[in-house]
Amino acid sequence: AQTVTQSQPEMSVQEAETVTLSCTYDTSESNYYLFWYKQPPSRQMILVIRQEAYKQQNATENRFSVNFQKAAKSFSLKISDSQLGDTAMYFCAFMNLHSGNTPLVFGKGTRLSVIA
Amino acid sequence: EPEVTQTPSHQVTQMGQEVILRCVPISNHLYFYWYRQILGQKVEFLVSFYNNEISEKSEIFDDQFSVERPDGSNFTLKIRSTKLEDSAMYFCASSEGGPHTQYFGPGTRLTVL
Repeated sequence: AQTVTQSQPEMSVQEAETVTLSCTYDTSESNYYLFWYKQPPSRQMILVIRQEAYKQQNATENRFSVNFQKAAKSFSLKISDSQLGDTAMYFCAFMNLHSGNTPLVFGKGTRLSVIA
Repeated sequence: EPEVTQTPSHQVTQMGQEVILRCVPISNHLYFYWYRQILGQKVEFLVSFYNNEISEKSEIFDDQFSVERPDGSNFTLKIRSTKLEDSAMYFCASSEGGPHTQYFGPGTRLTVL
């Protein structure tokens, strides 16, 4: 079974600064996707970014980018120019692409606070 | 932009009562999911649904749970006899295909008294 570990329960960053959230995962599969989801106080789950394991290039989405290290099974999220609206829980998630419906496996989350 | 919707946003029920949580997935999506998040804990997979049948379910999804797609738009989760420990946020998600990004609804907060 796959597991996802987020070792930082809480982090804080000053507005306009850069912060990196860590995620590691354990799998014997070679074909999978990785995701970061954001959950603001409203508790809605919002997709931030997706990385396909077969791609060597790190995914980027505006101020959000990832550092995907497949051999190390590491998938960190970098938020540049942090904004107050980035305050949220951030969940790392793994999707195995073996077949059919593929449930997401989530980490426990990192609570990020952006400070003015 | 199309989105997943869920109703109600908050449901309060007495222990032992039946509840039905409703979801309207994105219209061209074919795969549907339910997840649960107990307060302060991580999001856990309950069940996935494709072509009018369950394709995968977790250990949490026991006989008191059922899912249904009663018409062309709704996707429901029924809990037959609620327990205190069923209190959680329940998220519906949908995707175009199995190995595709899942888009989540805003969730239903279920409180069992």
